[in-house]
Amino acid sequence: KAGVTQTPRYLIKTRGQQVTLSCSPISGHRSVSWYQQTPGQGLQFLFEYFSETQRNKGNFPGRFSGRQFSNSRSEMNVSTLELGDSALYLCASSLVWTSGNTDTQYFGPGTRLTVL
Amino acid sequence: AQSVTQPDIHITVSEGASLELRCNYSYGATPYLFWYVQSPGQGLQLLLKYFSGDTLVQGIKGFEAEFKRSQSSFNLRKPSVHWSDAAEYFCAVGDQAGTALIFGKGTTLSVSS
Repeated sequence: KAGVTQTPRYLIKTRGQQVTLSCSPISGHRSVSWYQQTPGQGLQFLFEYFSETQRNKGNFPGRFSGRQFSNSRSEMNVSTLELGDSALYLCASSLVWTSGNTDTQYFGPGTRLTVL
Repeated sequence: AQSVTQPDIHITVSEGASLELRCNYSYGATPYLFWYVQSPGQGLQLLLKYFSGDTLVQGIKGFEAEFKRSQSSFNLRKPSVHWSDAAEYFCAVGDQAGTALIFGKGTTLSVSS
């Protein structure tokens, strides 16, 4: 079974621009979560989507947004990019049980975003 | 506040020696605990997880971890380290909903020959 895929793998943008990152979950996984990884702050949760709805959100400004499509693929968008948004953005997918709880999160390779 | 502490930022171990990476957590609910490994430029690979039951869990690549509720710890161990184990290791905690993992800052493992 194919793993989580993320595109693109690398991005270079300038301050003020916006960017869209894409994540395709493992087949059958309906929950997608996004994390930001930086040397200073480590791994931080951005948000989680299930059934095209955001169920949980981390402590990030409104410039960070996401969505999920009916095929469970997800995108995240960052508007008005700042230098501090340079990071590795990781997507994770997981099964969702009938209770609504999720199983283990499996991560993709990440998208490395550099903001100049 | 919910948190995960990995006290060791960097550890160097000789090839063939044993390894123990420490992880302490602070979590109000019943914790689900994970260890992930990250090689440079890569995503996170799941090593093992603890949901319930036997407090000693086995993972991939010969790793194991022991959950000690009284000490709020979930330390990762390996009896004999290989050079290919050099990477960054992250401990994480989640809840039954499992949607938002809280990660430690990570421990970088170097393996010397």
